[in-house]
Amino acid sequence: GAVVSQHPSRVICKSGTSVKIECRSLDFQATTMFWYRQFPKQSLMLMATSNEGSKATYEQGVEKDKFLINHASLTLSTLTVTSAHPEDSSFYICSAEGLAGVLSTDTQYFGPGTRLTVL
Amino acid sequence: RKEVEQDPGPFNVPEGATVAFNCTYSNSASQSFFWYRQDCRKEPKLLMSVYSSGNEDGRFTAQLNRASQYISLLIRDSKLSDSATYLCVVIPTDSWGKLQFGAGTQVVVTP
Repeated sequence: GAVVSQHPSRVICKSGTSVKIECRSLDFQATTMFWYRQFPKQSLMLMATSNEGSKATYEQGVEKDKFLINHASLTLSTLTVTSAHPEDSSFYICSAEGLAGVLSTDTQYFGPGTRLTVL
Repeated sequence: RKEVEQDPGPFNVPEGATVAFNCTYSNSASQSFFWYRQDCRKEPKLLMSVYSSGNEDGRFTAQLNRASQYISLLIRDSKLSDSATYLCVVIPTDSWGKLQFGAGTQVVVTP
């Protein structure tokens, strides 16, 4: 149980294009999903917190107009990197937090990540 | 100063040996602590939660020292499959759900 999937697992795109990454909780409902970014040999950095049916909350320094987050259902959140540039190349990981009483609310279940390379 | 700091390593450990490492955190109000394991180019996976009284899960022992604001992880009888990066994760009291990650400690177990 508590499986989170991400799609695509890897994407290579040209500078200036937009890339959409999907995060799905496969066997549980997640009211809250988180999006992280990890550069090589660095820690995961939280980009934004996504709550179903409401606007995402972005961390300081993360451009909300560049990283569009949509959490339309209890099992799906999407991150769109708009007008991607080479410096956006990174490993993007989502996580989902289970509903209280169903799964431990202290535990986040991570997707397998999406490796984005912008040429 | 980083919120969560770890020695990046690598810790080169002979198979069967014991290895231990710490993680320090800056927010004294932090409420929850975890160790995650991350294999190269993969997502983090929860290894264990860290409780005030300390806890053990098989060959892994985690300790929390609130006074000195650090947590530790000890791996006994190291296996080759223990080679990974171990991420220290903290949840501050005022940041519900927002995990703060350390940069990780790399452990390399050698035959």
